[in-house]
Amino acid sequence: AQTVTQSQPEMSVQEAETVTLSCTYDTSESDYYLFWYKQPPSRQMILVIRQEAYKQQNATENRFSVNFQKAAKSFSLKISDSQLGDAAMYFCALTGANSKLTFGKGITLSVRP
Amino acid sequence: DTAVSQTPKYLVTQMGNDKSIKCEQNLGHDTMYWYKQDSKKFLKIMFSYNNKELIINETVPNRFSPKSPDKAHLNLHINSLELGDSAVYFCASSQYLGQAGEAFFGQGTRLTVV
Repeated sequence: AQTVTQSQPEMSVQEAETVTLSCTYDTSESDYYLFWYKQPPSRQMILVIRQEAYKQQNATENRFSVNFQKAAKSFSLKISDSQLGDAAMYFCALTGANSKLTFGKGITLSVRP
Repeated sequence: DTAVSQTPKYLVTQMGNDKSIKCEQNLGHDTMYWYKQDSKKFLKIMFSYNNKELIINETVPNRFSPKSPDKAHLNLHINSLELGDSAVYFCASSQYLGQAGEAFFGQGTRLTVV
């Protein structure tokens, strides 16, 4: 079985500042993928960033980057230069050979102007 | 042109009714999924189909029956609706079975059972 844990239900960041969202996971597989999804109030699920477990290098997509600590089974998302449009619910997710995407409970991020 | 479209976007119905949610993707993907997001925003896989073949069937009550008439469509039929079925249901598709994490999601269908 695979599990994804997001222990912080909500966070707040000042516009233009940096925020880090935490995620831990557990899986028995050696080959797996990790993701962060954004869900704004529109409900649309938007893929923010992905990380292959076999890659040591942390993934980066513009202002979004991850800190992938494989031994610690930790996968945090860093948002730099936060913008008002970043306000949303963020989900950490994991998939492996079973092709089943398992989500964490999500974290609500608010951005203060 | 919407990649993954679900209809209807909102559905309000009474307990005991039967309802269907339709999903269509125009991406030429092989794999389609249904997810349920409950009132606490928790997202969970319900079903996945690959080339019309059922691959994942989580512990979902058998009142829920997916139907894939072709690769581009995956409909969800729900019998004898219960209050606990109220949720947002998302359809998604990915190019291949192993790409669940890169799936394109529909806008969701908010189902309210009264």
